[in-house]
Amino acid sequence: EPEVTQTPSHQVTQMGQEVILRCVPISNHLYFYWYRQILGQKVEFLVSFYNNEISEKSEIFDDQFSVERPDGSNFTLKIRSTKLEDSAMYFCASSEAGPGRGELFFGEGSRLTVL
Amino acid sequence: GESVGLHLPTLSVQEGDNSIINCAYSNSASDYFIWYKQESGKGPQFIIDIRSNMDKRQGQRVTVLLNKTVKHLSLQIAATQPGDSAVYFCAENPTEANNLFFGTGTRLTVIP
Repeated sequence: EPEVTQTPSHQVTQMGQEVILRCVPISNHLYFYWYRQILGQKVEFLVSFYNNEISEKSEIFDDQFSVERPDGSNFTLKIRSTKLEDSAMYFCASSEAGPGRGELFFGEGSRLTVL
Repeated sequence: GESVGLHLPTLSVQEGDNSIINCAYSNSASDYFIWYKQESGKGPQFIIDIRSNMDKRQGQRVTVLLNKTVKHLSLQIAATQPGDSAVYFCAENPTEANNLFFGTGTRLTVIP
């Protein structure tokens, strides 16, 4: 069964460092998303991406965050200068159609720990 | 902003019993709802969805009920099994929005 894969599974970084989280969405999907989940809390939307551009972003997704689809398979989330409060599980998701027209498939997540 | 919340943060049931997990949403413009299951250390896993033009939808051992009048969503799990133990999230998609809004989550514990 096709699945969304994410790397790394866990990354530990120092405050102020740049981090890149990588995702390989399901191959025929056109919509891509990043969500995050702080430990014990709900899943929060960060950004959605379609047709090589951001289609929607939340207040969390400030100038420190960026997304990119550098090639035909990868979808990355970059945090330029990490803060302690960026520590969370980051989930990538993809869907064949946009939200409201089919389910989002989530990856297993990348745990980011900022020290 | 949108608000999706759950009535009970934890739920414990005996194996074999039926489980009901509830969710309230606040955005009357939402027209698509999904229940996700999240096991420890894993990503959310799709369980079942429902559109706003429906009141009820059934899957394998699961049923989702939607009451648009009171903006309430529920997930019923029949004959709950130990493998059902997880956190369950409801999520809503407001019309024209390009994302899902998740609720806080309910932890379901199945007692053998």
